[in-house]
Amino acid sequence: AQSVSQHNHHVILSEAASLELGCNYSYGGTVNLFWYVQYPGQHLQLLLKYFSGDPLVKGIKGFEAEFIKSKFSFNLRKPSVQWSDTAEYFCAVISYYGNNRLAFGKGNQVVVIP
Amino acid sequence: EPEVTQTPSHQVTQMGQEVILRCVPISNHLYFYWYRQILGQKVEFLVSFYNNEISEKSEIFDDQFSVERPDGSNFTLKIRSTKLEDSAMYFCASSEAGQQGADNYGYTFGSGTRLTVV
Repeated sequence: AQSVSQHNHHVILSEAASLELGCNYSYGGTVNLFWYVQYPGQHLQLLLKYFSGDPLVKGIKGFEAEFIKSKFSFNLRKPSVQWSDTAEYFCAVISYYGNNRLAFGKGNQVVVIP
Repeated sequence: EPEVTQTPSHQVTQMGQEVILRCVPISNHLYFYWYRQILGQKVEFLVSFYNNEISEKSEIFDDQFSVERPDGSNFTLKIRSTKLEDSAMYFCASSEAGQQGADNYGYTFGSGTRLTVV
C-alpha cells in the first residue's frame, strides 16, 4: 500500500524565515501529488498539485514544491513566511493506475511567530 | 468560488446512537468522498461514491457505515451505532473528474464535521 511520510510534525518559525516541509511517498508507479493546507477552524484547501511536466510547481500564497522522482519526494517551500501561514500542511498522493483514494501524510503543524 | 458544505460543524452523540453527517458537494461534481481524521492522526480515506453507488471503500468503512445521495444534492454518511473510536473530524470531498491526471481532478474538501462520541 502506498504511504506518505512527513517529518518534523511541529515547526516553529519567525516571520520572514524560509520554510521547507518534506514529503516522501512509497509508491513506485506514476503518481499525482498534492499539498493541502488547513488553517485553524477551516477546511482543507489545495495549495498546489503535480500531475506531469515541470517538476517545480508553483501554488497559491507564494508556495512552491519540487517533485524529485528519484527521491520519491515532493517537498514544499516558501522563501519568506508570514504570520498568516500558521496552519497545518498535508502532503497527499494518489497513484495514477490505482484506486481513487488520496493517501495523506500525518501533516506538519507550522506556527509562525510575528 | 464553489464550496463543499458540511453540516453540522460539530456533533456530540452518545455511544450507540446513530448519526448522519451531511454534505452538499459542488453542483457539477460527479465523484464524492468521505475522509476522516482522528485527532493527532492522518487523514484517512473512507469511501468514494459515483453514479449512485459506492465505487471504493476502505477497511475502516465497515457495516456500521453507509452513504447515500438521497436527493441529488446531499451526500450523507451514516454511522449506525457510534463507538468512542468514531470520534474524529469527518471531511466530505467532491471532484469533477474521477480520472487521475485530469486538470480538473483535484478534490475540493468541505470544512469538516467534528464528531464527538461520549
